[in-house]
Amino acid sequence: QVTLKESGPVLVKPTETLTLTCTVSGFSLSNARLGVSWIRQPPGKALEWLAHIFSNDEKSYSTSLKSRLTISKDTSKSQVVLTMTNMDPVDTATYYCARIPARQWLVWFDPWGQGTLVTVSS
Amino acid sequence: QSVLTQPPSASGTPGQRVTISCSGSSSNIGSNYVYWYQQLPGTAPKLLIYRNNQRPSGVPDRFSGSKSGTSASLAISGLRSEDEANYYCAAWDDSLSALFGTGTKVTVL
Repeated sequence: QVTLKESGPVLVKPTETLTLTCTVSGFSLSNARLGVSWIRQPPGKALEWLAHIFSNDEKSYSTSLKSRLTISKDTSKSQVVLTMTNMDPVDTATYYCARIPARQWLVWFDPWGQGTLVTVSS
Repeated sequence: QSVLTQPPSASGTPGQRVTISCSGSSSNIGSNYVYWYQQLPGTAPKLLIYRNNQRPSGVPDRFSGSKSGTSASLAISGLRSEDEANYYCAAWDDSLSALFGTGTKVTVL
């Protein structure tokens, strides 16, 4: 059974750096066909794609957030980490990670983690 | 950052057919596959349609997807109360970024 679970701080202060971890099970981050994406959703708003990473360390970032994002992975720990710098209240959102089950189809997200709500406030 | 445009809401009575549109451009829907996600209240999104019109196992055949040019549509036939949810389209953009639609809330009257 494939599962993903997000973890990280519930509350961060403005200007701080957010670090989120996605721990996966049921598949290996060394599998060349598979990738992991991060996606977020502000309360009551639409989904927004953030970044993805594949086994060969190929990465891609949202054009609007590229300067603030870093995605990495630790294959031995089955974890994908997303850092976002200079957090602002508008970054308050539920952050999801999701598996990309086929390398050539980059918007195919299945399954998703349960999500983790991050609030940015002083 | 560009987005895919969807109507904010759609509704129907049980048994009716509801259609949701998703409008993009030549750099996203026009040249890449479209995916649809269903988000039930308080839950994570779930894949509903992949590669324009394919249903994952377990998704009822009441759900169907189509694409024409730079637009796509999701149809729900035989609407049921459990279909009340937010629906999002998604597509890769040739600017090397994934795009989601603005989302459509489906209400079963």
